[in-house]
Amino acid sequence: AQKVTQAQTEISVVEKEDVTLDCVYETRDTTYYLFWYKQPPSGELVFLIRRNSFDEQNEISGRYSWNFQKSTSSFNFTITASQVVDSAVYFCALPYNQGGKLIFGQGTELSVKP
Amino acid sequence: DTGVSQDPRHKITKRGQNVTFRCDPISEHNRLYWYRQTLGQGPEFLTYFQNEAQLEKSRLLSDRFSAERPKGSFSTLEIQRTEQGDSAMYLCASSPGTSDEQYFGPGTRLTVT
Repeated sequence: AQKVTQAQTEISVVEKEDVTLDCVYETRDTTYYLFWYKQPPSGELVFLIRRNSFDEQNEISGRYSWNFQKSTSSFNFTITASQVVDSAVYFCALPYNQGGKLIFGQGTELSVKP
Repeated sequence: DTGVSQDPRHKITKRGQNVTFRCDPISEHNRLYWYRQTLGQGPEFLTYFQNEAQLEKSRLLSDRFSAERPKGSFSTLEIQRTEQGDSAMYLCASSPGTSDEQYFGPGTRLTVT
């Protein structure tokens, strides 16, 4: 079955600290995509990244980086030098089947304190 | 370039009343999804459309729920005889295709009293 687990419910850091959000998934598919979304206090889900299972290279976008390891079924997200504006709930997601509907993890609430 | 829009943003209704929500996807996006999110949880899939065809409905979607996407443009989600358990954020998303990222609207927060 398709499943996404985000074991960290809440993380609290002080500004400028680095923080890693964990995501572990289960899938029957041999090829698949993985996604990360950010949900700030305003509530709107914001797309951050889509990753293809073919590509295990780490992805970096500014202060954000993602580590995809197929061998451990993990797709972790690191924020370097965190800022208060990074405070949000972050979701990892996996398409359920060919239809594209997403299965979301429970989310990790990140609080960055000044 | 406008994103996904949803209307209304907030809806308070009494138990037993019917409510209808509207979603306008990003233009030219073929796929339109509805999700429901309760406090402290990730979004849960409800249904999706490929153009005007409703291709899948979750078992979460009881007979009181119905969704349409006439002409493959905007979509409506109707809940009949609302119950307190229907209180949640209803999210709409659209994407160009199956494997593409989904772009979400701001959601409609429903409170059933």
